Amino acid sequence: DGGITQSPKYLFRKEGQNVTLSCEQNLNHDAMYWYRQDPGQGLRLIYYSQIVNDFQKGDIAEGYSVSREKKESFPLTVTSAQKNPTAFYLCASSQIPGRKQNTGELFFGEGSRLTVL
Amino acid sequence: KNEVEQSPQNLTAQEGEFITINCSYSVGISALHWLQQHPGGGIVSLFMLSSGKKKHGRLIATINIQEKHSSLHITASHPRDSAVYICAVSSNYKLTFGKGTLLTVNP
Repeated sequence: DGGITQSPKYLFRKEGQNVTLSCEQNLNHDAMYWYRQDPGQGLRLIYYSQIVNDFQKGDIAEGYSVSREKKESFPLTVTSAQKNPTAFYLCASSQIPGRKQNTGELFFGEGSRLTVL
Repeated sequence: KNEVEQSPQNLTAQEGEFITINCSYSVGISALHWLQQHPGGGIVSLFMLSSGKKKHGRLIATINIQEKHSSLHITASHPRDSAVYICAVSSNYKLTFGKGTLLTVNP
């Protein structure tokens, strides 16, 4: 079945360590997104990519990095520069709205919960 | 002020009740999404609409572009409908999310 797979589901990190969260999709979607969710707040955009080898900063990109070497994969690295990394991270994908037969409907992964010890 | 406001923040209902969750937004949009997030955290897209009304099973979503308002209705609510319902608006490929409405349906 087509979908988005995030891993790991739970991750613990010591202060000062970088960690990478995986996001893979087999939906043939062009656009992929990383969001952060904190209690009592709406999802906030970290990075997004609309095409391979290109990505754009979202609203809270500081302390994060991404790559888009393959259409199917959009990993997120939480670096030691991110001051408050404990959060729930969600990856999403969609077709680009406006292109033929593309609805722009969003598909989400199950999320990765990162805790800094 | 958040660009997307949802109400209520929390809603408790008895099984079988008709439920309405509201979403107001302040920016021009190309589409509005209703999403469902279960306790495990995964999010499912329920509706994407840019005008009028859509229905899927017991769920109905409406949008009024002039008033910048959308509603999500659940008919004959069931405990399995308990989840966080999130409204999000898209504009220039960017999504802005509401804070969500926590719905609890008691048997």
